[in-house]
Amino acid sequence: GAVVSQHPSRVICKSGTSVKIECRSLDFQATTMFWYRQFPKKSLMLMATSNEGSKATYEQGVEKDKFLINHASLTLSTLTVTSAHPEDSSFYICSAKASGREVDTQYFGPGTRLTVL
Amino acid sequence: GQNIDQPTEMTATEGAIVQINCTYQTSGFNGLFWYQQHAGEAPTFLSYNVLDGLEEKGRFSSFLSRSKGYSYLLLKELQMKDSASYLCAVMDSNYQLIWGAGTKLIIKP
Repeated sequence: GAVVSQHPSRVICKSGTSVKIECRSLDFQATTMFWYRQFPKKSLMLMATSNEGSKATYEQGVEKDKFLINHASLTLSTLTVTSAHPEDSSFYICSAKASGREVDTQYFGPGTRLTVL
Repeated sequence: GQNIDQPTEMTATEGAIVQINCTYQTSGFNGLFWYQQHAGEAPTFLSYNVLDGLEEKGRFSSFLSRSKGYSYLLLKELQMKDSASYLCAVMDSNYQLIWGAGTKLIIKP
């Protein structure tokens, strides 16, 4: 089956620093990747949709200058949390939609737990 | 390795009851999630089970047996809008989410 990985799996950083999270599709090409934020035991909030080679589309209320997304290749998308603050502490999950596969099938990554001190 | 199994597709009739099973083998266990995802939309949280037993929320119920590595999502009084994919995900001992491939539920009139 299709595998999506994220790196790092967890990160702890100081307030004010920037953190980069990678999302990779390991055995397929992903034309579209999604970034979500999960609140404890609750819903996945879609933050943005990134398409390879073009600018990401951000959901309402998500600051694009704070959450920088780069979909540099068909297998890699990165989310950079700039000038992180404690309220950015969360579980960030990416998913990837494979090109050429069944429409709307998303494959989810294991998540990255960010803790900002 | 870690693995989650759920049926690829199920079909049920409007007004009926359907049970979607999920079995898992993971390194540790810190809870099991069920999400509903309509085509083209973000997943919607349905339930979170960390203790054995049945949890009921309206028409939806979720059951967990940790000793058997098994969960099911029970949908009652099915409505056409319940046609969606249902994702089972387990949080392992490292607090990583292991995802099932999803079950596509088709509701027929």
